[in-house]
Amino acid sequence: GENVEQHPSTLSVQEGDSAVIKCTYSDSASNYFPWYKQELGKRPQLIIDIRSNVGEKKDQRIAVTLNKTAKHFSLHITETQPEDSAVYFCAASRYSSASKIIFGSGTRLSIRP
Amino acid sequence: NAGVTQTPKFRILKIGQSMTLQCTQDMNHNYMYWYRQDPGMGLKLIYYSVGAGITDKGEVPNGYNVSRSTTEDFPLRLELAAPSQTSVYFCASSIQGPNEQFFGPGTRLTVL
Repeated sequence: GENVEQHPSTLSVQEGDSAVIKCTYSDSASNYFPWYKQELGKRPQLIIDIRSNVGEKKDQRIAVTLNKTAKHFSLHITETQPEDSAVYFCAASRYSSASKIIFGSGTRLSIRP
Repeated sequence: NAGVTQTPKFRILKIGQSMTLQCTQDMNHNYMYWYRQDPGMGLKLIYYSVGAGITDKGEVPNGYNVSRSTTEDFPLRLELAAPSQTSVYFCASSIQGPNEQFFGPGTRLTVL
């Protein structure tokens, strides 16, 4: 079945540095790739998403890149801040009426002061 | 808008008991989902629905049942609870499949 692998499982960066989280997917028909942030004890919330017709999308300090040939996509956070500490999940799905999303296993990001 | 609401917030069940986790959304979303999240793990899809009267299995449907009689409600039924079903359960909704999913606050279930 479909699978999404996410790396690393934990990541610690100095405040102000950049963080990169990578995901690979197995279903070549996947064409929607969201990223969710989950703070401790809270519900997941969408932070950015990308569709297969673009290679990169930016929103302030957050960017996502997509390489459909290699079937991988990455989340980039620049100028990290303490409030970026959370678990980040990537996901992949097909854009069809009965689609469902497969999530990666998550990356726990810690920002060191 | 309350968004997606779930009840109860916490529940302890004994092995073999049954219960229903409630989920309601007031955003008129067609798609609804049930996930489980085990400690330190990602989200696993249990069941999803693309509209009232239509449901389908996700990755881990065994031991669960769902129904979708209205657009707003998507209850998850656990029959014969087992310790392996100890988890946090999230309900979510989206206007259609591959779009932003809005999650409920979760139900923390312990089966002893």
